[in-house]
Amino acid sequence: DAKTTQPPSMDCAEGRAANLPCNHSTISGNEYVYWYRQIHSQGPQYIIHGLKNNETNEMASLIITEDRKSSTLILPHATLRDTAVYYCIVRAFMEYGNKLVFGAGTILRVKS
Amino acid sequence: EAQVTQNPRYLITVTGKKLTVTCSQNMNHEYMSWYRQDPGLGLRQIYYSMNVEVTDKGDVPEGYKVSRKEKRNFPLILESPSPNQTSLYFCASSSLEPGLGGRETQYFGPGTRLLVL
Repeated sequence: DAKTTQPPSMDCAEGRAANLPCNHSTISGNEYVYWYRQIHSQGPQYIIHGLKNNETNEMASLIITEDRKSSTLILPHATLRDTAVYYCIVRAFMEYGNKLVFGAGTILRVKS
Repeated sequence: EAQVTQNPRYLITVTGKKLTVTCSQNMNHEYMSWYRQDPGLGLRQIYYSMNVEVTDKGDVPEGYKVSRKEKRNFPLILESPSPNQTSLYFCASSSLEPGLGGRETQYFGPGTRLLVL
């Protein structure tokens, strides 16, 4: 069963911030939020992850609500190369088999 | 360059003809895994390995075999391929260490597109 809900698609203008939402209302205390993306049938690429604090790295920022029931991935200055399917994944840090369960994701189209 | 490589990238074969898809990583990762991706079904884990000589089934292991004789290699074997194994296959690896760049960061290969006729 899917643990996350994401919009099927979003558009973003090049150079603007892309804000991708994810709902995970049944998240439990030991589960993290991960974001991966997949560019045109290439292998998925790790972006960022977090537990309850906001996180930032060179690729993106992750904002997690205080109740942890939803989060937003922010690409601060989207480029055409950011066009991809973005997956929000919830799982325990020590998940058996280290498995990632990918849902349908959000297709982000960055347009010039 | 840190990477996961897969070969072949594209393969067309016929039902019943044994094939092997190779996967190799150069990051000294303990963990390796195989996924398949199908339209409408997302990525599903086939098999995984936590270290050399340690393998276990994922969610869809039927019709596949794996081996882990060396840390860097994790081949996927289809003993008798069938058309329902037509799919896009990805190999992934990660460290099992906690912390940044550890077990939460899985590195994926470029994919192998398999067509079984």
